Amino acid sequence: GNSVTQMEGPVTLSEEAFLTINCTYTATGYPSLFWYVQYPGEGLQLLLKATKADDKGSNKGFEATYRKETTSFHLEKGSVQVSDSAVYFCALSGSQGNLIFGKGTKLSVKP
Amino acid sequence: SAVISQKPSRDICQRGTSLTIQCQVDSQVTMMFWYRQQPGQSLTLIATANQGSEATYESGFVIDKFPISRPNLTFSTLTVSNMSPEDSSIYLCSGSSGGGTTDTQYFGPGTRLTVL
Repeated sequence: GNSVTQMEGPVTLSEEAFLTINCTYTATGYPSLFWYVQYPGEGLQLLLKATKADDKGSNKGFEATYRKETTSFHLEKGSVQVSDSAVYFCALSGSQGNLIFGKGTKLSVKP
Repeated sequence: SAVISQKPSRDICQRGTSLTIQCQVDSQVTMMFWYRQQPGQSLTLIATANQGSEATYESGFVIDKFPISRPNLTFSTLTVSNMSPEDSSIYLCSGSSGGGTTDTQYFGPGTRLTVL
């Protein structure tokens, strides 16, 4: 079945460091891919998405490119801030319009 | 976009009892879903809440344990029945305006349930 494999955390970075969180997927067909973020004490929010191969999703300095050839959707940011500390979830669309999530990666950014 | 609220935000319950969680959306949504997030784990789909008909449950989840109602396009409830400590989780509802695989899902803040 469809699944998402996400880089295990936690990830600890210093402010202004480069961030990569790896995400690969297994799916039949052509799912959409998403990154959701969960800030401490808050609900899940959509960070970015891509709906077809080679699409790049971007938001708040984060970006991810839908790579069909490597079945990947890695999240990147050139310079992280303390306020980026959160749990990041990679997800793909299921057949019912639901989402199939990876396990989540906790990011801590130190000043 | 849609703003989703859930009640209660948290509860502590005794084993053998039941809890009903409410999910309210500020606009009509086509699809509504219920997920469970066990401690330290990812989100797992429990069921799709269908308006005016029985919910569609994922493997491992049954209607007797997790009855769901969806009387209209903005409201749904999930009941966790005959609870045990293994039901301690965060329960989240979500909604999307479209029914397709490209549509954004909006999530409620979750209900943190602890079963003693």
